[in-house]
Amino acid sequence: GAVVSQHPSWVICKSGTSVKIECRSLDFQATTMFWYRQFPKQSLMLMATSNEGSKATYEQGVEKDKFLINHASLTLSTLTVTSAHPEDSSFYICSARGLENTIYFGEGSWLTVV
Amino acid sequence: AQSVAQPEDQVNVAEGNPLTVKCTYSVSGNPYLFWYVQYPNRGLQFLLKYITGDNLVKGSYGFEAEFNKSQTSFHLKKPSALVSDSALYFCAAYNQGGKLIFGQGTELSVKP
Repeated sequence: GAVVSQHPSWVICKSGTSVKIECRSLDFQATTMFWYRQFPKQSLMLMATSNEGSKATYEQGVEKDKFLINHASLTLSTLTVTSAHPEDSSFYICSARGLENTIYFGEGSWLTVV
Repeated sequence: AQSVAQPEDQVNVAEGNPLTVKCTYSVSGNPYLFWYVQYPNRGLQFLLKYITGDNLVKGSYGFEAEFNKSQTSFHLKKPSALVSDSALYFCAAYNQGGKLIFGQGTELSVKP
């Protein structure tokens, strides 16, 4: 089956620093990837759609200068949380569109900002 | 507005009994419907999908779902629940903009 790898699984950073999360489609090419944020016991909130070779499309209310998304290749998208603050602490999940429009998810990344 | 609804926050089932996790949808056109499972501190795992064809869709780990157009439902079922099925389940559908929209999630608890 299609595999999406996300790294790192856990990251702790100091307030004011930036942190990068990578999302890779391992056995398929993904022109479109998605980044979500999830709070405990809640559903996923779509942050942005990452398109290979073009700018990401952000959902309303998501700061594009704070959550930088780059989709430089057909198998890699990155999310950089810039100038992180404790309120950015969350579970971030990426996904990629595979065959037959099925969306496959990464394992998620826990970000803790201290 | 297009939406996916999971009316139950939690479903409790005894091991060995059948389970049903409910989902209804409101999307334009022919729906693309999905079920995902999420274990604690993990990403979402794809279980099954309906795009076209037979209304009864079989997926991973013995799960199946029935697409009912008249009731706009896509309930997830399993004939005999296992304790290891305990997890958070999400129903999802594509909206007109090509984005996956999720239900609120249903926590399934299977007791021995």
